[in-house]
Amino acid sequence: NAGVTQTPKFQVLKTGQSMTLQCAQDMNHEYMSWYRQDPGMGLRLIHYSVGAGITDQGEVPNGYNVSRSTTEDFPLRLLSAAPSQTSVYFCASSLFITDTQYFGPGTRLTVL
Amino acid sequence: DQQVKQNSPSLSVQEGRISILNCDYTNSMFDYFLWYKKYPAEGPTFLISISSIKDKNEDGRFTVFLNKSAKHLSLHIVPSQPGDSAVYFCAARGNSGGSNYKLTFGKGTLLTVNP
Repeated sequence: NAGVTQTPKFQVLKTGQSMTLQCAQDMNHEYMSWYRQDPGMGLRLIHYSVGAGITDQGEVPNGYNVSRSTTEDFPLRLLSAAPSQTSVYFCASSLFITDTQYFGPGTRLTVL
Repeated sequence: DQQVKQNSPSLSVQEGRISILNCDYTNSMFDYFLWYKKYPAEGPTFLISISSIKDKNEDGRFTVFLNKSAKHLSLHIVPSQPGDSAVYFCAARGNSGGSNYKLTFGKGTLLTVNP
């Protein structure tokens, strides 16, 4: 099992550009989520999904879109990147929302 | 409004001694608490958890204590080892379904264990 994988590991964008952060898991987990980690802020939930076709907003959803067309994949789209979106992004998954979450290695994003 | 608070950004201890990391919460709906450990350039990994029906849970060198009346939990590491040096996140969730199941994280405490 590869667990939770994220690509890319690093990305630099210019303000206004769009991009998609990829997240995949091979554990047949129903629940997937995206967090961002900023210095001194801990982990904040962006969006989450309790199963294919179902997504919902977390604590800081503005500027991000998600979709869940398969159980395995949960991409995070930045529509028009802003410097405030410079952060480290973590994807996580668990069998169900109440189970222990497993995190991916993260994507470090810089928006200039 | 920060619902999970880790008031110590950092903690430094000597190898072999006890490390105590603290966490306070304000939401009385929280009933399940977790500690995650994070090394630089890696994702957080689950360490230990405790349900509100218990006041203590042990796993090897790691013990979590929960004081519901004080809305306080702590993680004890005995004995501390240099490999324990990492950022520790406290997290909490509720039990009444829907969005209450989502995890809320504290800001983390950087533990440094000196040889």
